[in-house]
Amino acid sequence: QKEVEQNSGPLSVPEGAIASLNCTYSDRVSQSFFWYRQYSGKSPELIMSIYSNGDKEDGRFTAQLNKASQYVSLLIRDSQPSDSATYLCAVMGGTSYGKLTFGQGTILTVHP
Amino acid sequence: GAVVSQHPSWVICKSGTSVKIECRSLDFQATTMFWYRQFPKQSLMLMATSNEGSKATYEQGVEKDKFLINHASLTLSTLTVTSAHPEDSSFYICSARDEGQPQHFGDGTRLSIL
Repeated sequence: QKEVEQNSGPLSVPEGAIASLNCTYSDRVSQSFFWYRQYSGKSPELIMSIYSNGDKEDGRFTAQLNKASQYVSLLIRDSQPSDSATYLCAVMGGTSYGKLTFGQGTILTVHP
Repeated sequence: GAVVSQHPSWVICKSGTSVKIECRSLDFQATTMFWYRQFPKQSLMLMATSNEGSKATYEQGVEKDKFLINHASLTLSTLTVTSAHPEDSSFYICSARDEGQPQHFGDGTRLSIL
C-alpha cells in the first residue's frame, strides 16, 4: 500500500463546476497536510495547508481533513480553465523534520 | 513571502562535466532544504534533505558522491551533479522551509546532458 494515495485521473470538470480531489494516507501519526498545484513543466506551488480536523477555506479552495479516516480532500469551487494542472497531496509526519511524502498527483482538466 | 530562488533554470552541457545548481530562500531563513528530481509525467522524487551546517541526508538509491549537496548558510544550498551523463538529465527542484512552516519550492532547473 502506498503511503499517500490519490486518484491519478484525469479528472475533467466543466468551467464553473466544483472539482473534488481526494487523498488518503497510511501513517496515523501524520501531523500536517498540504495541497500543491503543479502546472506542466513548472515546479509545485503551495495552495493549502491544513493541520486539524475540519474544513479550511481560502478563496475558491477548501481543504478538508479527517484524521480518523486518514483522508484529506481539496474542493475547488467555480473551476476555471486556469485551474487545469496536476494537484499533489503531501503529508508530513510528526518526526520527519519537514520531509513530505507526496501522492502521485491528480491531473485536473477544466474545460470551457 | 516565502520566496525560493533557484538558478539556473536551464542547463545544457556535455557528458562528463559537473553542474552546480543554487537554491536560495530570499525572505526567510531556511532551516531545512530539500532536493528533488522529477522525470516527465512522474511525481517528485526526494533526493536528499539538508540542514544548515550539517551533512545532507540522502534517500536510498541516491549516490552521495554523484550528487554533492552543500548547505552553507540559512539561505543557500547547492546541488552539484558531478560527471554528469545523459541519464542524469531531469528536472531538479529545490524546496526550503523554516521551522514549523510548509515547504516552498524553487522554479526548478531543467538539466540536459548531451
